[in-house]
Amino acid sequence: AQSVSQHNHHVILSEAASLELGCNYSYGGTVNLFWYVQYPGQHLQLLLKYFSGDPLVKGIKGFEAEFIKSKFSFNLRKPSVQWSDTAEYFCAVNAILTGGGNKLTFGTGTQLKVEL
Amino acid sequence: DAGVIQSPRHEVTEMGQEVTLRCKPISGHNSLFWYRQTMMRGLELLIYFNNNVPIDDSGMPEDRFSAKMPNASFSTLKIQPSEPRDSAVYFCASSPDLAYNNEQFFGPGTRLTVL
Repeated sequence: AQSVSQHNHHVILSEAASLELGCNYSYGGTVNLFWYVQYPGQHLQLLLKYFSGDPLVKGIKGFEAEFIKSKFSFNLRKPSVQWSDTAEYFCAVNAILTGGGNKLTFGTGTQLKVEL
Repeated sequence: DAGVIQSPRHEVTEMGQEVTLRCKPISGHNSLFWYRQTMMRGLELLIYFNNNVPIDDSGMPEDRFSAKMPNASFSTLKIQPSEPRDSAVYFCASSPDLAYNNEQFFGPGTRLTVL
């Protein structure tokens, strides 16, 4: 079964600092990759997604992520964070199952706090 | 579009009581998912439906949990009897279908507290 690991559970940054959140998955087959964001008190929203093609994916609000197949990684980056980026970030992997169908698995999330 | 609608937004109940959570997916979406979010276990998929039919309920923790989707625009997640360890935020999500490249759209969640 596939699994997703987010190594950083809590990250605290100052405004304008650069951000990189790690995400690794374990699955040998075809995957689609997602980053979702959950702002305080709100529901999960899609930041960006990777299906195929250019492994560097750009999403909303200046976020980007790079799919490195050899490392089974899909790290999220932002060159300069803002206070409004304070939120919880979830990496998710949708794996094509050998028996057909697919399953979306979420990581445990990384809580990001941006200080002024 | 109003997005995925969940009710109630907050529910406080006592142990042993029955709890029913409701979800209205985005119109035209054929797939519906129920998740539970806790600090300890993160976001867990409980069950999902496609065209109103339950496809995989392997994430449902116990027989106390049941879910139904009587029509394309409504689903319920029921806990009977409820226990304090069921306290969590329950999210409903929908997507156009089960194609693997489909984004799931999440509702605002129901925060359940069982005393």
